[in-house]
Amino acid sequence: KAGVTQTPRYLIKTRGQQVTLSCSPISGHRSVSWYQQTPGQGLQFLFEYFSETQRNKGNFPGRFSGRQFSNSRSEMNVSTLELGDSALYLCASSLVGTGYGNTIYFGEGSWLTVV
Amino acid sequence: QKEVEQDPGPLSVPEGAIVSLNCTYSNSAFQYFMWYRQYSRKGPELLMYTYSSGNKEDGRFTAQVDKSSKYISLFIRDSQPSDSATYLCAMEVGTGTASKLTFGTGTRLQVTL
Repeated sequence: KAGVTQTPRYLIKTRGQQVTLSCSPISGHRSVSWYQQTPGQGLQFLFEYFSETQRNKGNFPGRFSGRQFSNSRSEMNVSTLELGDSALYLCASSLVGTGYGNTIYFGEGSWLTVV
Repeated sequence: QKEVEQDPGPLSVPEGAIVSLNCTYSNSAFQYFMWYRQYSRKGPELLMYTYSSGNKEDGRFTAQVDKSSKYISLFIRDSQPSDSATYLCAMEVGTGTASKLTFGTGTRLQVTL
């Protein structure tokens, strides 16, 4: 079956702009998580959605937001982009979430460069 | 100090060697421990998953967890050039389904011919 699909794969934005990234989870998966990966900080948890509700949130400023639709597809938005937002943004899906041994599957990520 | 510490490497070994990758952590509430492999410009893929302390073996891979020392390891036997990748440890508290993974920064492994 198809894996986690993220679009766009690569994008370049200017400081101050905003960006929206999209994620389609594996069919049947209802939990979608977002992570930011940078060389210095590694993978950091942004937020997790389940059945259109945000269940968990990491330590990122309010410029980072997300949502999930009724078909489980998810989007994340970053407003007022800063140079430090340049990163690989990874989406991961799981059946119901990562607790109690449920595994998550990552997409290939969206590479964001802010200039 | 980060919750999860991992030596970034790079670690270079000859083909056929035994590789040892390690992470230490500070949060004693972590119960679930994972190892992911990430090839260049790809998303991480799950290699091993362990609950609490103990060993788990899967083919050439063995994962060890020592909760008393807050230390986890991944061993790769008979390493191959195709094992060249970044290896990420991850862990979570696992209190219910609304959990989140905490990752190490990853160790870059290079297996040479």
